Amino acid sequence: DVKVTQSSRYLVKRTGEKVFLECVQDMDHENMFWYRQDPGLGLRLIYFSYDVKMKEKGDIPEGYSVSREKKERFSLILESASTNQTSMYLCASISSGTDATFFGQGTRLTVV
Amino acid sequence: GNSVTQMEGPVTLSEEAFLTINCTYTATGYPSLFWYVQYPGEGLQLLLKATKADDKGSNKGFEATYRKETTSFHLEKGSVQVSDSAVYFCALRRETTDSWGKLQFGAGTQVVVTP
Repeated sequence: DVKVTQSSRYLVKRTGEKVFLECVQDMDHENMFWYRQDPGLGLRLIYFSYDVKMKEKGDIPEGYSVSREKKERFSLILESASTNQTSMYLCASISSGTDATFFGQGTRLTVV
Repeated sequence: GNSVTQMEGPVTLSEEAFLTINCTYTATGYPSLFWYVQYPGEGLQLLLKATKADDKGSNKGFEATYRKETTSFHLEKGSVQVSDSAVYFCALRRETTDSWGKLQFGAGTQVVVTP
């Protein structure tokens, strides 16, 4: 059974903290993504990576960075968390040339 | 740029009713189109897809047809069940030369089916 696993389902962090969201996939996919999901806005792309050590900005990269040191792992970093980063974060992966994107179960982050 | 517009929810239906969720898109070229479903407390799952004009995607009783002339990809199901209660997202794949699989999503439509 294919899997995208996010390390936490729920996180509560304080304003100004550095926050790490971890994502691991076991399908040997080249392409990995971080989206944020907000009511009425759908999913918006933060960053993506199409290879190890490669990263590209998505539509809303401000306040975020990413790391992809190994093919299976893609980390999202909030350098200094702010309350407007309170959201659901979804990691996803897909193999090049295929149609099915696989999503993790999401991390609901609350910044207080 | 690319965009996807979905009808707003929530949509509340009785069991065995007919469901339609409208989706229209704006894109250059001929993107692939998808419907994803998110059940409560879970991530998104691919429901169905269509990769070229006039293709019909189908799965679990749901159908959607890629209409290039109206730039639409409406989702339909003839008889919904309580277990179909979920949030449904229409999406298009944004093709680029250096990566694969970037998706542009609509806002999502919550569907509530009552017994």
